[in-house]
Amino acid sequence: EAGVAQSPRYKIIEKRQSVAFWCNPISGHATLYWYQQILGQGPKLLIQFQNNGVVDDSQLPKDRFSAERLKGVDSTLKIQPAKLEDSAVYLCASSFGMTTEAFFGQGTRLTVV
Amino acid sequence: AQSVTQPDIHITVSEGASLELRCNYSYGATPYLFWYVQSPGQGLQLLLKYFSGDTLVQGIKGFEAEFKRSQSSFNLRKPSVHWSDAAEYFCAVGAMDSSYKLIFGSGTRLLVRP
Repeated sequence: EAGVAQSPRYKIIEKRQSVAFWCNPISGHATLYWYQQILGQGPKLLIQFQNNGVVDDSQLPKDRFSAERLKGVDSTLKIQPAKLEDSAVYLCASSFGMTTEAFFGQGTRLTVV
Repeated sequence: AQSVTQPDIHITVSEGASLELRCNYSYGATPYLFWYVQSPGQGLQLLLKYFSGDTLVQGIKGFEAEFKRSQSSFNLRKPSVHWSDAAEYFCAVGAMDSSYKLIFGSGTRLLVRP
């Protein structure tokens, strides 16, 4: 079974630029999560989808971050404009249902300079 | 809202020694509980989970965890640590707030002495 795919693996951008991350969850998984993991910290939930609907985005900085999952399968997370404090690993995870275990991709390491 | 506390930022053990990583949660009912491991540059891998039933759960790589309702704890244990166990370990809680959320602790970094 293929795992959660994320791209790119690494990205370096200048502050005020924009960036997008892509995630393809495990086939059949209805729930998709985006987490931000700052160095030395645990993952922080940014947004959670159930199929193509948003379940929770309470910690998503909506003035600069956006995410979509238009067809209920793959998802993109965008940052525009980026700030230095956005430097982190962005992890995508999926699960079959909301209360089942989540499977994680390898993440995208973003460096904002 | 639920929260997760991992009180130990770093733990160092000798290879072959036993290990216990602590996790405490705050939630009004019994949550779903998970332990994940993260090796450098990698995503998170599920070690074990507790949903209900037997409070001692077995996971992969020889790990086990015990749910103690009275202490709101879900500590991870391993009887004999191998050098390859050196990694970051995260406890996570899944529970209903306004919606179901999966919340992670801040992690414990395990160092293994040869």
